[in-house]
Amino acid sequence: EIVMTQSPATLSVSPGERATLSCRASQSVSSNLAWYQQKPGQAPRLLIYGASTRATGIPARFSGSGSGTEFTLTISSLQSEDFAVYYCQQYNNWPPGGTFGQGTRLEIK
Amino acid sequence: QVQLVQSGAEVKKPGASVKVSCKASGYTFTSYGISWVRQAPGQGLEWMGWISAYNGNTNYAQKLQGRVTMTTDTSTSTAYMELRSLRSDDTAVYYCARDPAYGDVSGYFDYWGQGTLVTVSS
Repeated sequence: EIVMTQSPATLSVSPGERATLSCRASQSVSSNLAWYQQKPGQAPRLLIYGASTRATGIPARFSGSGSGTEFTLTISSLQSEDFAVYYCQQYNNWPPGGTFGQGTRLEIK
Repeated sequence: QVQLVQSGAEVKKPGASVKVSCKASGYTFTSYGISWVRQAPGQGLEWMGWISAYNGNTNYAQKLQGRVTMTTDTSTSTAYMELRSLRSDDTAVYYCARDPAYGDVSGYFDYWGQGTLVTVSS
């Protein structure tokens, strides 16, 4: 099973600043990597798929990069609504279904 | 607009079964697969399995094989997930989620249901 490791576990950033979240795969997943945002009490929301393609309706301040085993989600200028937990998910090996990272909590500094 | 609406919270005793529903609207139900993902309290996301709404083909996570069954009712555009022999560590929020690949599988999820809390407690 491919293991996804996210870092850091918690990231404290001030509104208006840039946030950079990392995700590493235990083996290559090509560009089959998605990012989700989850707020308390809500379902996850798809942000990025194919490592770098924004999902429908996702603001341009969200960008994804990387391939193989190293991936990054960047939020260019944090808005108040961006403080949440972010998960990466690989879907290169199917079946079984994609495995998720343990999440990065983005909190207000 | 695409919507997935799930059934309400459940409380079950250990050893019992639970069946969660997920009613889809806003798209052609049989053209996309549905996965189920669960999240234990304060924990991360775990993929449970997938079903094709077109032909009913399924693929389950190995750790749940034998305890989980996923089905669909195309007449009502509803997907179901049944989990049997419940244990305390099955306590979680259960989500249905649509796979965006038309007539195929991509492995990621573009629309999610609101979640159903299943509590297993004696």
